[in-house]
Amino acid sequence: DAGITQSPRHKVTETGTPVTLRCHQTENHRYMYWYRQDPGHGLRLIHYSYGVKDTDKGEVSDGYSVSRSKTEDFLLTLESATSSQTSVYFCAISESVGTNEKLFFGSGTQLSVL
Amino acid sequence: GESVGLHLPTLSVQEGDNSIINCAYSNSASDYFIWYKQESGKGPQFIIDIRSNMDKRQGQRVTVLLNKTVKHLSLQIAATQPGDSAVYFCAENPLGEKLVFGKGTKLTVNP
Repeated sequence: DAGITQSPRHKVTETGTPVTLRCHQTENHRYMYWYRQDPGHGLRLIHYSYGVKDTDKGEVSDGYSVSRSKTEDFLLTLESATSSQTSVYFCAISESVGTNEKLFFGSGTQLSVL
Repeated sequence: GESVGLHLPTLSVQEGDNSIINCAYSNSASDYFIWYKQESGKGPQFIIDIRSNMDKRQGQRVTVLLNKTVKHLSLQIAATQPGDSAVYFCAENPLGEKLVFGKGTKLTVNP
């Protein structure tokens, strides 16, 4: 999957607990993204990053935070997980943004919040 | 709501036939389009892209057609194989904005 590794691949957690998902890329792409995918909604953007320590919110950012301390790593944190955050989470990378935004995706993390 | 949609949520074809998956978009400012394939349990995989200054682009067994007049995008898969079974979705990239994804069409290839 285009040199993108997501961890963990599966996680089950309880409501109210913090959760961190990790995305690691070996492509040295500047732009990184976190999406969630739910039935009937398609892919929805949570947060994205233009570079180290440069992040911005997407359309469904409430309840999520991100950090990017290195070009290759982009972390997604659920400070206090809720059942509505049960979803499949995908990390993506691209070389350009705003036009010709060709995204390459990781394999995903299946998160279940009980 | 999403500006990218699909005419059919499911498509079933016989192995060896050609498949056509359609997508409508509503943003006339979109100047770049992508088709993705997603197999069960996997991440979306880039198939082919097309810029708005083109109306057709061919890849290996796939062709994307763009009709800007009616804001319509299609993906044609030649000689469909069982390995082509997946969900296919299109994405549009309005100039200066983020990609907008459609919900997808599930393609089933019958042997």
